[in-house]
Amino acid sequence: AQRVTQPEKLLSVFKGAPVELKCNYSYSGSPELFWYVQYSRQRLQLLLRHISRESIKGFTADLNKGETSFHLKKPFAQEEDSAMYYCALSGNNNDMRFGAGTRLTVKP
Amino acid sequence: DVKVTQSSRYLVKRTGEKVFLECVQDMDHENMFWYRQDPGLGLRLIYFSYDVKMKEKGDIPEGYSVSREKKERFSLILESASTNQTSMYLCASADRRNTEAFFGQGTRLTVV
Repeated sequence: AQRVTQPEKLLSVFKGAPVELKCNYSYSGSPELFWYVQYSRQRLQLLLRHISRESIKGFTADLNKGETSFHLKKPFAQEEDSAMYYCALSGNNNDMRFGAGTRLTVKP
Repeated sequence: DVKVTQSSRYLVKRTGEKVFLECVQDMDHENMFWYRQDPGLGLRLIYFSYDVKMKEKGDIPEGYSVSREKKERFSLILESASTNQTSMYLCASADRRNTEAFFGQGTRLTVV
């Protein structure tokens, strides 16, 4: 069965510090991995997907198939990055599953 | 502007009632999803559909059913609401490849 694990429920860093949100997955095929973000009082929205290999709002994520990880990183956190972050996995049968989420707080 | 619309923002129902949550998308998406969102548990997949009249169970389908009679509409049904179904319910839609999921605003259901 496919599973997405985000080990940290809460993460707090100071403005300007690096941030890394961890995501591990289990899947027997070739999954597509995503990061979604939910800002306060807004809808859940896509932040980035591994297949695009792009940087959005300074965030990057690298798919490591050997470690089955897809950690989200940003070298210098900003206060506006404070939000709930969800790692998600899409499998071969059209489903999409999410992790438990990590609440990131960036302190001034 | 893409849109996924859930019929109610807040809903209060009594235990034992049959509850319908409606979701409509205007993007001609093949895939539609229902999740419940609970603190500490994240988004848990209840059901999803990849085509009209097609449905697949997610991880927590017990106590729920779904209906997809038209491509744009995906309904979640609580056959007999219970207090442990009090939660935030999120609907989402995506193209066939799940390139990007678009979410509704959520329905906060309280069962009393």
